[in-house]
Amino acid sequence: EAGVVQSPRYKIIEKKQPVAFWCNPISGHNTLYWYLQNLGQGPELLIRYENEEAVDDSQLPKDRFSAERLKGVDSTLKIQPAELGDSAVYLCASSLNAGSYEQYFGPGTRLTVT
Amino acid sequence: QQQVKQSPQSLIVQKGGISIINCAYENTAFDYFPWYQQFPGKGPALLIAIRPDVSEKKEGRFTISFNKSAKQFSLHIMDSQPGDSATYFCAASKSDSSYKLIFGSGTRLLVRP
Repeated sequence: EAGVVQSPRYKIIEKKQPVAFWCNPISGHNTLYWYLQNLGQGPELLIRYENEEAVDDSQLPKDRFSAERLKGVDSTLKIQPAELGDSAVYLCASSLNAGSYEQYFGPGTRLTVT
Repeated sequence: QQQVKQSPQSLIVQKGGISIINCAYENTAFDYFPWYQQFPGKGPALLIAIRPDVSEKKEGRFTISFNKSAKQFSLHIMDSQPGDSATYFCAASKSDSSYKLIFGSGTRLLVRP
């Protein structure tokens, strides 16, 4: 069974440019999470989806970040415009459903903003 | 507000030794405590987890010890191997907050051959 798939794995952009990350969760997993992981730190939740509904986006900086999960399967996280401080690893995770504790992470996308 | 404090920041252990990583939490509403293992360039992988109704859980060489009254839990890696060298994160979540994982700051473990 395939795990959580993310692309691209690495992205280098100049500041003020837009960038998008894609995630495909484990098949059958209805809950999808986007986390931000700064160097040397633990991941921090940005947004959580139950199917196509964003049910917790309180930590998402909405002035520049946006996310969507239109059909309740794969998801896209966008930053526009990117800032130097956005350099980090963006992780996607999924779990079976709203009542599942276990979260399974993808390999992440490492973003470098120059 | 750091709700999960992890120590030590780094740890060096000889092959065959016991690695011990500690975490303390503040919110007594937490009801799920996982440990994740992360290798460079990879995402965190769920290693082992415990619920607060038990004091210990063992899976192979990995054991979680849980002290509810002290609000602390720890990961013990028995017979540590060089392949265990990675960063370990403790975390906590609660069912009434959408199961959001609150992570510790991580421990970089190096197991010398």
